[in-house]
This record gives sequence, structure tokens and C-alpha cells, in this order.
Amino acid sequence: NAGVTQTPKFQVLKTGQSMTLQCAQDMNHNSMYWYRQDPGMGLRLIYYSASEGTTDKGEVPNGYNVSRLNKREFSLRLESAAPSQTSVYFCASSDKTKAFRAFFGQGTRLTVV
Amino acid sequence: AQTVTQSQPEMSVQEAETVTLSCTYDTSESDYYLFWYKQPPSRQMILVIRQEAYKQQNATENRFSVNFQKAAKSFSLKISDSQLGDAAMYFCAYRSPTSGTYKYIFGTGTRLKVLA
Repeated sequence: NAGVTQTPKFQVLKTGQSMTLQCAQDMNHNSMYWYRQDPGMGLRLIYYSASEGTTDKGEVPNGYNVSRLNKREFSLRLESAAPSQTSVYFCASSDKTKAFRAFFGQGTRLTVV
Repeated sequence: AQTVTQSQPEMSVQEAETVTLSCTYDTSESDYYLFWYKQPPSRQMILVIRQEAYKQQNATENRFSVNFQKAAKSFSLKISDSQLGDAAMYFCAYRSPTSGTYKYIFGTGTRLKVLA
């Protein structure tokens, strides 16, 4: 019963490098989300996907892109990493079948130097 | 746009005492879900309690209960008989089930310290 699997758990990037955070869920959920968590800022929504084939911007989308590859997978890409993107990133999914409870991945701690 | 506000960055409670964490939200929708999540140092996000807006009765889960005031757009969490294991960050969250509005919005969190 894996739930939401997020990789990698830790990553260090140099400024200007690119990377993709991977997220997969095995609960057949329609909605998936990417958040960043910074001290004192809570969880801020970067992008979300209401269903396969659709994506929408959240609160802080600048510097990020996403792909909803299929119903299971929702990836987050940093094209040119900046120190301001140092954060902990969470992927989540939810669905009406569970009264919209959010299921979270373990998080990725990303440091951009 | 929906917003969630937690005005208490940090709270402390003595073990075995009761503490209330505050949350207010802003929305123009009539049907929605509200949640409290707990995040211990492990970073894992754990659902504490859930409330459907159309239900007038306040949700309860063992030592955790909410005071849901729909007109005031207030959703506070009461923790009774506080335990050391309750120490964590607590996030209030809003989710609309309305078709076309799928955002899942979180507050900034309240760090709860439990004193032995």
C-alpha cells in the first residue's frame, strides 16, 4: 500500500541547473498537487492537476513547470534552479472517494547553492 | 480566491491540559471541506480531523474536536488531555468539491509545544 511516492528525498543543485521531481500515486486519485514548504510560510501551492491532461497554476508557479503524464504521475520541473527555490517540496493527491482527504509524499528537501 | 489564516505561529500547553488552535478562512462557496493536519518532525503529514461544511455538528476524533462556525468562517481545533506526542506543526486546510475549483489551500501553520 504505497500511497504517494515522491523522489528524490534529498537533492543539492547548483544555481542554473535543472531537475525534475517525480511523484506517483497508486490510489487512482484524480487530483494531484505540488507544494513548497518554507519556515513561517506554511504549504504554498505551486501547481495542481484536477485530472489527467489538465494542469493549473497555484499561488507560486514562477520558475516551475509540471507534467501530468498520466493519472498516476505528476512531475515538477525546475528549468534553471535559483537559491530562492531552496525548500521542502511535497506532492499530494486527493479524491472525493476519500472525502477529499489529502495523501502526501515524504517530501523532497532541495538545496540550491 | 479562497484563503486560510492561522494567526498563532506558536502555542504551548502543559501536558494533560487543553489547547485550542485557531483557523479562519475566506470563501464565497457554500459547500466545502475543512481539515486539520499534523506534521511531526518526521515531515509526514497526518490527517487529524475533517469537517464537511454542510454538517452542522462539530467533528470529533478521540481527544481532538473542532468548533466550526460557518457564518464566522472559523474552524478551531481543540486538543484535550494533551500528550507529548501531540507536539508538532498543525495546518488548517480548505478544499472545495465544486467542479472546476480543485485547489487545496493550507494555512501557515501553528507550532504546538507540549510541556512536561
